[in-house]
Amino acid sequence: EAQVTQNPRYLITVTGKKLTVTCSQNMNHEYMSWYRQDPGLGLRQIYYSMNVEVTDKGDVPEGYKVSRKEKRNFPLILESPSPNQTSLYFCASSYGWGTGQADTQYFGPGTRLTVL
Amino acid sequence: DAKTTQPPSMDCAEGRAANLPCNHSTISGNEYVYWYRQIHSQGPQYIIHGLKNNETNEMASLIITEDRKSSTLILPHATLRDTAVYYCIVRVVTSGTYKYIFGTGTRLKVLA
Repeated sequence: EAQVTQNPRYLITVTGKKLTVTCSQNMNHEYMSWYRQDPGLGLRQIYYSMNVEVTDKGDVPEGYKVSRKEKRNFPLILESPSPNQTSLYFCASSYGWGTGQADTQYFGPGTRLTVL
Repeated sequence: DAKTTQPPSMDCAEGRAANLPCNHSTISGNEYVYWYRQIHSQGPQYIIHGLKNNETNEMASLIITEDRKSSTLILPHATLRDTAVYYCIVRVVTSGTYKYIFGTGTRLKVLA
């Protein structure tokens, strides 16, 4: 089954304790991205990756890191989490056809993170 | 960057057409408009996209104004299962890459 998976689905942690949220897709997609969703603010893109080894900042990258060493995986790293990073996080992937064509994103189920 | 504006909420009677507007007045010529919906806190699901022309698929129709500054998503015969938050999204192209700008969404409630 074609899908985007995220782990963990739920996480409660404390301020300053490094954590990684994994994202994996099995559709051979080039483009992957991370979003956070907060009440009243919709979804905001944190980082995106056009292909392996190429990543770029979205609208809210502060406090986050990503890496794209393999096509299928795109982990989100919080080196020193803070309470304002408490949010619902979504990973998404798409074929990455290029700027001249449309590109449909497939979203994972979400990770609910609470930082105390 | 392009920005989208949507009404926060709408109601629609079951069986009637739901028309969801979106303003994207700063959109550039090569930037696509996408619509997704989110049920509860699940991952958003793709509905439809367009660039300049009106589009229709099995789920919905998308009407884009000639100046491309706004669009309307039409669910022709809304059902209770269409109750969700609908997002209008612009894909912004920058130096050969692209990122996505979500609006804050419209919460559609379909009433029996």
